[in-house]
Amino acid sequence: QKEVEQNSGPLSVPEGAIASLNCTYSDRGSQSFFWYRQYSGKSPELIMSIYSNGDKEDGRFTAQLNKASQYVSLLIRDSQPSDSATYLCAVNVLNAGNNRKLIWGLGTSLAVNP
Amino acid sequence: DGGITQSPKYLFRKEGQNVTLSCEQNLNHDAMYWYRQDPGQGLRLIYYSQIVNDFQKGDIAEGYSVSREKKESFPLTVTSAQKNPTAFYLCASRGARQPQHFGDGTRLSIL
Repeated sequence: QKEVEQNSGPLSVPEGAIASLNCTYSDRGSQSFFWYRQYSGKSPELIMSIYSNGDKEDGRFTAQLNKASQYVSLLIRDSQPSDSATYLCAVNVLNAGNNRKLIWGLGTSLAVNP
Repeated sequence: DGGITQSPKYLFRKEGQNVTLSCEQNLNHDAMYWYRQDPGQGLRLIYYSQIVNDFQKGDIAEGYSVSREKKESFPLTVTSAQKNPTAFYLCASRGARQPQHFGDGTRLSIL
């Protein structure tokens, strides 16, 4: 069973701090990795995608991928109360029918305190 | 505006009733997906379609049916065989080599 694991949290950080969210995955053949943000009662919104080892930066967000260790992380710099949400990690895996599908983590709840 | 439209936003089902959730996209995406989200559980794939007139079962297809007669539309029917239908239903689509993007979702409850 291919899995994606996240710490459910809640992760609580003060406003202005760096929030660090982690995700591990089991399928070594995975090629594409995504972070989605989901506010309470709303649908998931894509915030970052990463495909190769290393860091990818977009504004206050940095995604980090380490395929050898099978983890992907999301750093949020200068955290704001509006960043308070659940962050979902999704990994693209090859399923039994030779089709690609997303495997989703359960999400990490982030609370940024003013 | 381009996007994915799900309707209705809220839906109530009576015992023994089939209900249909609508998902329409004007992004010219080939692939479309239906997920179910329950509290404390991750997104679970119900059905997906990679091209018009073709679709495959996901991980929890029992009690659901879909059709893909047009590229823009991928409706989901929750049948009376689905004994625990109360959930947040999410439709997503994606273009080639692109991430999935979601509609706003439909909340289904039992009367």
